[in-house]
Parts: sequence; C-alpha cells; structure tokens
Amino acid sequence: AQTVTQSQPEMSVQEAETVTLSCTYDTSENNYYLFWYKQPPSRQMILVIRQEAYKQQNATENRFSVNFQKAAKSFSLKISDSQLGDTAMYFCAWVYGGATNKLIFGTGTLLAVQP
Amino acid sequence: DVKVTQSSRYLVKRTGEKVFLECVQDMDHENMFWYRQDPGLGLRLIYFSYDVKMKEKGDIPEGYSVSREKKERFSLILESASTNQTSMYLCASSLSWSTNEKLFFGSGTQLSVL
Repeated sequence: AQTVTQSQPEMSVQEAETVTLSCTYDTSENNYYLFWYKQPPSRQMILVIRQEAYKQQNATENRFSVNFQKAAKSFSLKISDSQLGDTAMYFCAWVYGGATNKLIFGTGTLLAVQP
Repeated sequence: DVKVTQSSRYLVKRTGEKVFLECVQDMDHENMFWYRQDPGLGLRLIYFSYDVKMKEKGDIPEGYSVSREKKERFSLILESASTNQTSMYLCASSLSWSTNEKLFFGSGTQLSVL
C-alpha cells in the first residue's frame, strides 16, 4: 500500500529564515504526482506546489521550492524568507497517475514562524 | 476563484443522531470528496463522487454514506453518530479526472458527538 510519511510533527523558524519540511513516500508506481498543501488557522487548505514524478526539474513557486529525489522517494519543501503568514499545517500528498485524484496525505507538519 | 462552502463550521450532536454535513461548490467541478482530519492521522478519504449520483468508497467509509443529487452539492451522512466520529470533516472538489488537478477545499466542519 502507498504511504506518505512526514516525520516532523512540529517545526519552528524565525521570520526571514529558511526552513525545510520533510516528506517521504512509498510506492512501486512510476507514474504519480506529489503535492504540498497548506492549512492555515482559517482551516481552508490551499495548494502550495505540485511535482510530476516524470519531471526531473524541481518545482518552484515564488518562495516555495521542492527537493524531489525520486530514487530516495523523498519530496521535501523549502520555504525561503519565511513570513508570519506561512504559519500553518503543511501536508504532503501523493496520487497515482493512472487513477482518479484520490490523494494520500501525510500526517502533517505544524510550522510556526516566529517574529 | 472557486468557492467550496461547508454549511457549518462547528456542530455538536448526540450519540445516535442522524447528521448531515453539506458541501456546495460553485465552479461546475466533476469531482467532490469528503475527508476526515484527525491529529496524527492526517486526512483520510471517506467517499468521493465523480458525477451526479455516482460515488465510490474511500479508505474509511464505515458509518458514513453520501448523496450527490446535484452536481454542485455533496452531502455526507452519519446515519447514527458515534463518539468516534468526533472529528474535523473537510469537503473538497476538483475540476476533472486528471490526476494532477489540484483540490479546492472548504473550511471544514468540526463535529463533536457527545
């Protein structure tokens, strides 16, 4: 069965610093997609970034970037120049490319950005 | 912007009650989902629907049912609420079958069953 593991339940970072959130996954599939979702205190989850497994280039979205290591089955999220508004729960998610978009989520990492 | 609206932000119900959680999306999305969020467990899929009147079980469907009579509305039903169904319930929608489509989420319903 596919699993997604986030080994850091909580993290803290100072404003303007860089932080990296870890995610590993286990699958025998070759065609899949990976996502990072953010859930702020308002509770509404939003997509931060997505990565296609067949692409070697790491995805970036402004201050957010990923380090995708397919062989190691690792998909970490780097947040640069952290801002107070980045305080949220972050979920890593995986979906098989050959099925409907039934995502499998990790358990989440609660990130606190300190002023 | 896509809006996914969940009818209640907080609900308190008694054991044995029938509970309806409503979700409406306003962008003609094909797919709709119900997830349950528990601390330390992440999000787990309860049911999803890929068209009107079509539904499929997710990973934890026991004790739940769903209804999708109209494309924009997806209801989660707890036939007889139990205390172990106390949780945060998140509704989501996505445009199509394409597996890299992002999900749009509602703000969640925190359900307490006493």
